[in-house]
Amino acid sequence: GAGVSQSPSNKVTEKGKDVELRCDPISGHTALYWYRQSLGQGLEFLIYFQGNSAPDKSGLPSDRFSAERTGGSVSTLTIQRTQQEDSAVYLCASTTVGRGLQETQYFGPGTRLLVL
Amino acid sequence: AQTVTQSQPEMSVQEAETVTLSCTYDTSESNYYLFWYKQPPSRQMILVIRQEAYKQQNATENRFSVNFQKAAKSFSLKISDSQLGDTAMYFCAFMINFGNEKLTFGTGTRLTIIP
Repeated sequence: GAGVSQSPSNKVTEKGKDVELRCDPISGHTALYWYRQSLGQGLEFLIYFQGNSAPDKSGLPSDRFSAERTGGSVSTLTIQRTQQEDSAVYLCASTTVGRGLQETQYFGPGTRLLVL
Repeated sequence: AQTVTQSQPEMSVQEAETVTLSCTYDTSESNYYLFWYKQPPSRQMILVIRQEAYKQQNATENRFSVNFQKAAKSFSLKISDSQLGDTAMYFCAFMINFGNEKLTFGTGTRLTIIP
């Protein structure tokens, strides 16, 4: 399809385990964002990638969270030693332009993470 | 830092009626963008409408329109002739027009259209 895709759709894990969430942005989009949506809350910014620039990690809640973007396309968000408070929907978005210019962010369907 | 406030956690309206969702924001920036996103039960965030702060004219998209009051830092969404498919969470979002283009979201309004 032409939209942002994310996998898995749902993930259940045990406390203390590591998880990897994947985002495949729209082809040609140079900027990629990760957001977290906790139950009953709005979206919280986590991290931002733009081209070859260093990512903006200012929203990552702890050092257990990390993300990478390989080849300027697919991104993986990794949560190490998961905690119950990490349970949320993790949304990925992509857009066509980067710093200094604005464009609409297109979102994927999200990954719902449940930590037991 | 920017903040976005949506003071109506839930709203409901009869089908075909008009409903207005409120949003206020706080920023010291003069150039920025405002958005309304819709999130149905499928979780997919869908852009409804966007407004550039430098434009005085209110944005419209078919049945959706905004009332942008820059001085009051208010950005409400009006849905006319509401349809059952409009049932969703609606999020107001803010983006500065320089540097990091992350979106700052409000906590959302759950809108239910009653048949």
